[in-house]
Amino acid sequence: EVQLLESGGGLVQPGGSLRLSCAASGFTFSNYAMTWVRQAPGKGLECVSGISGSSGVTYYADSVKGRFTISRDNSKNTLYLQMNSLRAEDTAIYYCAKRDYSNPSTYAPLFESWGQGTLVTVSS
Amino acid sequence: DIQMTQSPSTLSASVGDRVTITCRASQSINNWLAWYQQKPGEVPRLLIHKVSILQGGVPSRFSGSGSGTEFTLTISSLQPDDFATYYCQQYNVYSGTFGQGTKVEIK
Repeated sequence: EVQLLESGGGLVQPGGSLRLSCAASGFTFSNYAMTWVRQAPGKGLECVSGISGSSGVTYYADSVKGRFTISRDNSKNTLYLQMNSLRAEDTAIYYCAKRDYSNPSTYAPLFESWGQGTLVTVSS
Repeated sequence: DIQMTQSPSTLSASVGDRVTITCRASQSINNWLAWYQQKPGEVPRLLIHKVSILQGGVPSRFSGSGSGTEFTLTISSLQPDDFATYYCQQYNVYSGTFGQGTKVEIK
């Protein structure tokens, strides 16, 4: 069974940093693209950043480019999102999500599996 | 970037009603179109991909159609479990843009 468990969220001041983690199990992690999707309180869904299984392909939304860095450690089955220079508008639940297509070289933002999410609140 | 526009934003319906939600893309997405359902306090659930392919376990009352830039999600007979927010999403390009959502409420 696929399991995705996010951690690392919390309250941070504007301009601060956080590192989110997503621990994966139940599948061969290195074969699958992963994505961070966020949802601001009461709002819709936004793909923030994605990475292919081999880390050869990465994607960043314009809203986070230059501030967020996605990475993965396939030996630890873990996905990361380093978030710097945080702003109030980054406040959201951050989900890690997985596509059920085994190809370490490609990336496409389709999500069959989701974690439960971790809440990031940026406020002074 | 590709914009996805859903209509209506809110829909009030009764159990047993036929419900249709429309999604329009700002440019061709080569039919790489998905639909998700999200209930309050829950994570999104993928219902349909490639316009009309149902995910395993999704009831057959759900169907998707369309092509080019116009797509629809239809629930043939609304059930109590279907009251939720529905999102369309393009996955033709990396941005994976979602529509703003359509909330299906009890009439």
